[in-house]
Amino acid sequence: EVRLVQSGTEVKKAGESLKISCQASGYSFVLYRIGWVRQKPGKGLEWLGLINPLDSEIRYSPSFQGQVTISADMSINIAYLQWGSLKASDTALYYCVRHWDYGDSDLSSGMDVWGQGTTVTVSS
Amino acid sequence: DIQMTQSPPSLSASVGDRVTITCRASQAINRYLNWYQQKPGEAPKFLIYEATSLQSGVPSRFSGSRSGTEFTLTITNLQPEDFATYYCQQCYSTPFTFGLGTNVEMK
Repeated sequence: EVRLVQSGTEVKKAGESLKISCQASGYSFVLYRIGWVRQKPGKGLEWLGLINPLDSEIRYSPSFQGQVTISADMSINIAYLQWGSLKASDTALYYCVRHWDYGDSDLSSGMDVWGQGTTVTVSS
Repeated sequence: DIQMTQSPPSLSASVGDRVTITCRASQAINRYLNWYQQKPGEAPKFLIYEATSLQSGVPSRFSGSRSGTEFTLTITNLQPEDFATYYCQQCYSTPFTFGLGTNVEMK
């Protein structure tokens, strides 16, 4: 079974650092890009960026560039999302997603597998 | 960034109804448009890719269409399990962007 299993709920203070993880199983990790999606309470979905585990190429949304760092360790099939200094506005549910490529564009892909989400709460 | 304007924000419908949700891109995105369904407390589920192709396992009452930069998700014969929020998402260029969602609620 293809699965993405994320690390547990985090409660942090503003200014603290944080790294959350996404463990992939059931497929070849290096064949699919992994992305991250944010959902603030009661709001819609926002795409933060993605990483190609094979070559570590990363694309960030300009809205999140410099705010988060995406990485992956293909030796243990885990992707990460980290913050150097959290803000209260980072409070949200974060999903990791598998990007399944289709079509003839190097970007065209659907998010076909989702992790269960990691809730991050940051108090000021 | 490409803006995805989704409408309506919400709608009320009954079991058996036909429901249509529209998503308009702020620029040409070819056919690179996906649809997702999200139920409360759950992660989104991938429904349709490349504007019109049904993801494996998705019931055939779901369908997608495209006319230029306007995309439509149609649910025919709405079932109780279809009450949820639906999002469109473009994958033509990064940053990938989502519509604001359409909440399909029971009338």
